[in-house]
Amino acid sequence: ETGVTQTPRHLVMGMTNKKSLKCEQHLGHNAMYWYKQSAKKPLELMFVYSLEERVENNSVPSRFSPECPNSSHLFLHLHTLQPEDSALYLCASSQALNRGLGTDTQYFGPGTRLTVL
Amino acid sequence: GENVEQHPSTLSVQEGDSAVIKCTYSDSASNYFPWYKQELGKGPQLIIDIRSNVGEKKDQRIAVTLNKTAKHFSLHITETQPEDSAVYFCAASKRGNLIFGKGTKLSVKP
Repeated sequence: ETGVTQTPRHLVMGMTNKKSLKCEQHLGHNAMYWYKQSAKKPLELMFVYSLEERVENNSVPSRFSPECPNSSHLFLHLHTLQPEDSALYLCASSQALNRGLGTDTQYFGPGTRLTVL
Repeated sequence: GENVEQHPSTLSVQEGDSAVIKCTYSDSASNYFPWYKQELGKGPQLIIDIRSNVGEKKDQRIAVTLNKTAKHFSLHITETQPEDSAVYFCAASKRGNLIFGKGTKLSVKP
C-alpha cells in the first residue's frame, strides 16, 4: 500500500455535525495537500501545507478548516456541511513544495468517502 | 490559470491491444506532467511522469510522450491486461500545484 494513510475511510454525517478527517504520511515528506474528488469533476485542490505552514487555500468555504500540527499529520475539520460537500476527500504528500528535481511528485492516500445527509 | 483537457472520457479495448489517452494543457510554463491510475475504492497511484526537458519516457508497458510546442502529452499502454482497467488521470503542474484532467475510464475486456 501507500505511505499515506487516511482515517476514517467512510464517514456519514448530518449537516449540523462536527467531524474531522485525519491524514498521516510515513514518507518523510514536508508538503501535504487536501483534494476534493466529486463525480464527473476533476480533482480539486483545497489546501496546501509546506513545513506545517498553509501556503494555499483555493477559495474553500470556511466550513472546511485544515490543521497541520507537524509535517507528518494533516487534519480537515468539518462543520455545518452541505449535501453538495459529499465527495471523496484525498490527502497527498510530496517531498517538498515544488523545488523541482522530483521533489514535487505527489503521493495520495486512499481517501475518505464523505456523505452529508 | 492552467486548464487540462483529457480525452477520451471512456475507452474500451480488447486484452492485448494498445490504449492511448491524450491530454492538452493551456499554460506553456507547466513543466511537470504525471499520470495517475485510480482503482475502485483507492486513491490515485502515480504510474509514470515526465518533465518538460524530456520528450518521451517509458516504463515496461507504459510510455508517455510530451509535445511542448503543441502543449499536449499522451499515455500509451501496450499489451493491455484486465488489471489495467481503472480510471486514469493526467495532470499538469508548475510550482507544485497539480491541475488534473477529468479522467479516462479504461476497460480492458478479456
